Amino acid sequence: DTEVTQTPKHLVMGMTNKKSLKCEQHMGHRAMYWYKQKAKKPPELMFVYSYEKLSINESVPSRFSPECPNSSLLNLHLHALQPEDSALYLCASSQGDRGRSGEQYFGPGTRLTVT
Amino acid sequence: GQSLEQPSEVTAVEGAIVQINCTYQTSGFYGLSWYQQHDGGAPTFLSYNALDGLEETGRFSSFLSRSDSYGYLLLQELQMKDSASYFCAVRDDTDKLIFGTGTRLQVFP
Repeated sequence: DTEVTQTPKHLVMGMTNKKSLKCEQHMGHRAMYWYKQKAKKPPELMFVYSYEKLSINESVPSRFSPECPNSSLLNLHLHALQPEDSALYLCASSQGDRGRSGEQYFGPGTRLTVT
Repeated sequence: GQSLEQPSEVTAVEGAIVQINCTYQTSGFYGLSWYQQHDGGAPTFLSYNALDGLEETGRFSSFLSRSDSYGYLLLQELQMKDSASYFCAVRDDTDKLIFGTGTRLQVFP
């Protein structure tokens, strides 16, 4: 199984809502990532979890809250978002050892629209 | 600062060969990756070079010169399905992947 799954595929939420994005992988990878991607732009790293611990937070606003319940699951909790947060949110995973983190496997993404 | 520069767009015809260049300036360097992304899809890993030289995987090859801070992706025997955006990405010394600006490849019949 070389698949990273993400739910939901699409999400529309108001600025006062609370929602969560979910990501799952069963490749035994120990590093998981959240990226944000705007149209015609490269993915921008948000968070990195390594061995279930948050290792990198790219100065992301606190309205985005990541969680890693176990080595296969990654969540992104959303609260009080702004319209400019509308984007494609991508989850990725890699083996976790430093020699292989250039090889990441991405999920299909959640297309988020904030109204 | 960190920067990875790629041409914004490349066009070619089916069956041709195309090279997408990437020059980088980063605070640390452990390797150069290439990803393909079709419109509406997710990035797909293509290759990773940690050492200088050419790596070949089927129709795609990737090259790295660390002394020149330069790499390229070579696509041979182009097919229509190769039309996509291609990103180079550097793994830096904090274990992050920093993506390049992206190159949109259009293949014409």
